[in-house]
Amino acid sequence: EVQLVESGGGLVQPGGSLRLSCAASGFTFSNYWMSWVRQAPGKGLEWVANIKQDGSEKFYVDSVKGRFTISRDNAKNSLYLQMNSLRAEDTAVYYCPRILSGYSHAPFDSWGQGTLVTVSS
Amino acid sequence: DIVMTQSPDSLAVSLGERATINCKSSQSLLYSSNNKNYLAWYQQKPGQPPKLLIYWASTRESGVPDRFSGSGSGTDFTLTISSLQAEDVALYYCQQYYFTPPWTFGLGTKVEIK
Repeated sequence: EVQLVESGGGLVQPGGSLRLSCAASGFTFSNYWMSWVRQAPGKGLEWVANIKQDGSEKFYVDSVKGRFTISRDNAKNSLYLQMNSLRAEDTAVYYCPRILSGYSHAPFDSWGQGTLVTVSS
Repeated sequence: DIVMTQSPDSLAVSLGERATINCKSSQSLLYSSNNKNYLAWYQQKPGQPPKLLIYWASTRESGVPDRFSGSGSGTDFTLTISSLQAEDVALYYCQQYYFTPPWTFGLGTKVEIK
């Protein structure tokens, strides 16, 4: 069974940093593109970042470019999101869904429960 | 960026009746080389993560009840719940994965019981 468990969320002040982790199990992690998708309280879904199987390609939504860094450790079956210069508008539940199949042009087929990031003074 | 427009924002349907949600893309999501539409539908119940229901516009994900169906091509798509059940109360999102990045979602449609 595919399992994705996000962690690392919490309360952080504006301008602060946070590192999110996603532990994957139940599938061959190194075979899949992985993503971060967020959902602000009471709002819709927003894709944040993607990373290729070997980490050689990364994509970001414009609003986080230069502030967030996605990375992965295939030996540890783990995905990360380093978030710097956090803003109030980054407040959201962050999910780390897997992308179906081995290609980036595919839907998000498995999701974890998410971790809440709150940016507030 | 591709804009995904869902309608209606919300709808209330009686149990056992049909629910229809529309999704319009600002550009065609049909890739002529493989004749596939790069469009997915997700269901999100309160307090839960999204769940993939439909992909390639009409392919039902494993384990999804057959009362859920997807149709459409190009820029216009529909998610239909043929006979609404109480457990179908949720938010539904469409998403395109053709013109990426970014991977974009619609704003969601809330389905309730009338």
